[in-house]
Amino acid sequence: AQKITQTQPGMFVQEKEAVTLDCTYDTSDPSYGLFWYKQPSSGEMIFLIYQGSYDQQNATEGRYSLNFQKARKSANLVISASQLGDSAMYFCAILTPSGYSTLTFGKGTMLLVSP
Amino acid sequence: NAGVTQTPKFRVLKTGQSMTLLCAQDMNHEYMYWYRQDPGMGLRLIHYSVGEGTTAKGEVPDGYNVSRLKKQNFLLGLESAAPSQTSVYFCASSYRRGGPDTQYFGPGTRLTVL
Repeated sequence: AQKITQTQPGMFVQEKEAVTLDCTYDTSDPSYGLFWYKQPSSGEMIFLIYQGSYDQQNATEGRYSLNFQKARKSANLVISASQLGDSAMYFCAILTPSGYSTLTFGKGTMLLVSP
Repeated sequence: NAGVTQTPKFRVLKTGQSMTLLCAQDMNHEYMYWYRQDPGMGLRLIHYSVGEGTTAKGEVPDGYNVSRLKKQNFLLGLESAAPSQTSVYFCASSYRRGGPDTQYFGPGTRLTVL
């Protein structure tokens, strides 16, 4: 079975600073995908970034980057130059073939960005 | 192109009542999913479908039934609602199995069972 652990229930960061949200995973599948989703207070789930287990380079999407350390089984999300609109819940998730290609989510990290 | 839509957005039921949540997607996606989100629990998979006419159980299927009669629609049914089913329900869809199979989510349905 696959598992995602997000150890930070909440994080605070000042506007314009960078912040790292931690995610560790556990799976026995050699092939898997790691995803980050953002859930603002309005409730919708917004896809941010994806990293495949065989991807050589860390994924980047605008201000979001994924610090993928395969040996440590970690897939931390880095948000550069935080903005007030980044305040939200952030979920890490894993997709594996043995999990029937369904997502297993972590419990999330609440990020608050202050002016 | 509306993406993934869910009907209704809010609903209040009494214990024992039944209801159906409708999910529709216009992206021609093969896979569709139903999740529930409870405080402190993240999202948990209820049921999913890998194509028209097929469904499978997820992590928390008890008390729910689903149907996928048309490729674009995925229905979630509660036959006899219980207070433990008070939750926010999300539908999602994705194009195909494997690879960077990004799931796109609907806006959610907030269900309260009294």
